[in-house]
Amino acid sequence: DTEVTQTPKHLVMGMTNKKSLKCEQHMGHRAMYWYKQKAKKPPELMFVYSYEKLSINESVPSRFSPECPNSSLLNLHLHALQPEDSALYLCASSPPGQGTPYGYTFGSGTRLTVV
Amino acid sequence: QKEVEQDPGPLSVPEGAIVSLNCTYSNSAFQYFMWYRQYSRKGPELLMYTYSSGNKEDGRFTAQVDKSSKYISLFIRDSQPSDSATYLCAMSRRGNDYKLSFGAGTTVTVRA
Repeated sequence: DTEVTQTPKHLVMGMTNKKSLKCEQHMGHRAMYWYKQKAKKPPELMFVYSYEKLSINESVPSRFSPECPNSSLLNLHLHALQPEDSALYLCASSPPGQGTPYGYTFGSGTRLTVV
Repeated sequence: QKEVEQDPGPLSVPEGAIVSLNCTYSNSAFQYFMWYRQYSRKGPELLMYTYSSGNKEDGRFTAQVDKSSKYISLFIRDSQPSDSATYLCAMSRRGNDYKLSFGAGTTVTVRA
């Protein structure tokens, strides 16, 4: 299995809603990432988990809350989002202890629309 | 000045042409270089990675790195309509650095 699976593929939520994005991989990767990508822009790093511990938080607002319950699963909890948070949210993973030299494996993303 | 500069295009070529993409960077600490392909509404897919100056070939794709000039390139030979996508260059500082710095992405259309 060489995939990163993200669910749901599409999500529409109101500004008062609470929702969660889910990411799963079974490649034995021990680094997992959340990225945000706006239209026609490159991905922007949000969070990095290394061995299930939060390693990097790129000053992301607290309305985004990541969680890594185990080595295969990564969640992003969403609460009180703003319309400008509408974007493609990408999960990625990379092999243990190797960081980025061989690149990440990205999921297909969750397209989020905040209304 | 951005760390990684990439012309966003768009670039339109006829089928069978060679597609030439490039990025320049300013941080000499970058050691690992990658090219990703991203189809519309999909996640980026790693095409090639390299960590040294020179050429690396994989099928129709050739990646070049010139660290002295801080310049990387991707060439696609015998381009096909299925190569129509956005191509992102990315780079990182060292092996245990989890951050990737991306270029803006170049949108390529291959006309049948």
